[in-house]
Amino acid sequence: DAGVIQSPRHEVTEMGQEVTLRCKPISGHNSLFWYRQTMMRGLELLIYFNNNVPIDDSGMPEDRFSAKMPNASFSTLKIQPSEPRDSAVYFCASSKRGNYGYTFGSGTRLTVV
Amino acid sequence: AQSVTQLGSHVSVSEGALVLLRCNYSSSVPPYLFWYVQYPNQGLQLLLKYTSAATLVKGINGFEAEFKKSETSFHLTKPSAHMSDAAEYFCAVSPYNTDKLIFGTGTRLQVFP
Repeated sequence: DAGVIQSPRHEVTEMGQEVTLRCKPISGHNSLFWYRQTMMRGLELLIYFNNNVPIDDSGMPEDRFSAKMPNASFSTLKIQPSEPRDSAVYFCASSKRGNYGYTFGSGTRLTVV
Repeated sequence: AQSVTQLGSHVSVSEGALVLLRCNYSSSVPPYLFWYVQYPNQGLQLLLKYTSAATLVKGINGFEAEFKKSETSFHLTKPSAHMSDAAEYFCAVSPYNTDKLIFGTGTRLQVFP
């Protein structure tokens, strides 16, 4: 079991550029979650999917953020245009629905300059 | 809304001493509660979870937590700290009838030799 795989591990981009973060959940897990971690705000849930369908996106900061899950093995989180305040570590996690034991990826550290 | 409060952003103990990390929850219905650990530059790892079964829950690495409804608490303990326990610990609650986790602000545990 390779775990939840996130790419890239680190991303440095200039303000205004588009950023795409990627996540491959554990095979057989049907829930997928995107979190953002910062010193100021801690861990924030951005959006989660059940069976590839977005269930709750109330945590998405604004329209610059979008997430997709085109199939059970892949999800993306896109920021367009990026801003310095988007700098954070973005985590993807997956679980079997109803299990509540998330498996987290190693995160993507995003720096927007 | 359901939430958790972690008392103490930093806890320091000597190696071999008792570890006690505090978490109180706010919920009008029996909650599902969790403890996660985060080592530097890594994702979060599930330590243990309470899902309305036994009130004393044993987890990995010798940690355990007790659900106390009368005190609305779910404190994490370990009888004897190891240097390798130094990390950040997060308490989390799953709001009723959802799959998402709401995390506390975290407690950084330092272990001194």
